[in-house]
Amino acid sequence: NAGVTQTPKFQVLKTGQSMTLQCAQDMNHNSMYWYRQDPGMGLRLIYYSASEGTTDKGEVPNGYNVSRLNKREFSLRLESAAPSQTSVYFCASILSRGIPGELFFGEGSRLTVL
Amino acid sequence: GENVEQHPSTLSVQEGDSAVIKCTYSDSASNYFPWYKQELGKRPQLIIDIRSNVGEKKDQRIAVTLNKTAKHFSLHITETQPEDSAVYFCAATIGGNTPLVFGKGTRLSVIA
Repeated sequence: NAGVTQTPKFQVLKTGQSMTLQCAQDMNHNSMYWYRQDPGMGLRLIYYSASEGTTDKGEVPNGYNVSRLNKREFSLRLESAAPSQTSVYFCASILSRGIPGELFFGEGSRLTVL
Repeated sequence: GENVEQHPSTLSVQEGDSAVIKCTYSDSASNYFPWYKQELGKRPQLIIDIRSNVGEKKDQRIAVTLNKTAKHFSLHITETQPEDSAVYFCAATIGGNTPLVFGKGTRLSVIA
């Protein structure tokens, strides 16, 4: 049981390049999330998907797009990377169905934009 | 929307002492309050949570208290050990499909 798997773990981009962060969970969870973590800023929500077929903006969505490919997979795309997007990105999932519970995180993806 | 404030941002304690981290929330409808621990270079992991129908919850050396009237909740760690050194995040949500809102974190250092 792998839990939440993110790829890649590390990536260096040049300003203006694009890339997609992949996330998959094998726990049959309904809701999935993308957070970014910056020093002193905590975990800020970028986008989330409450259920397959839906996506919603979080606190800091600008410069990102997401796709809920199926129940297992939720990808985050940077169309034109900027240095301000240098961060550690965490994907997370939760069973949900209206009852709050444990949020399971992936190992994180460290992105550097030069 | 919900706003969660967390204090202090850093905390140093001697091994064996207690540590207390406090959070306040803004939305009186919030009903679920988890705490996550993130060790250096690792992912955040749930250590304890409390729901709005409970005032206190304990799990060995950690406890969480909730004051709904004042809209604040706290994490208490007793008999701290070096392995307690980490960043701790509080969070809150009104439930349903509404995502958790996290505080900015507290870096706890336990000095041996």
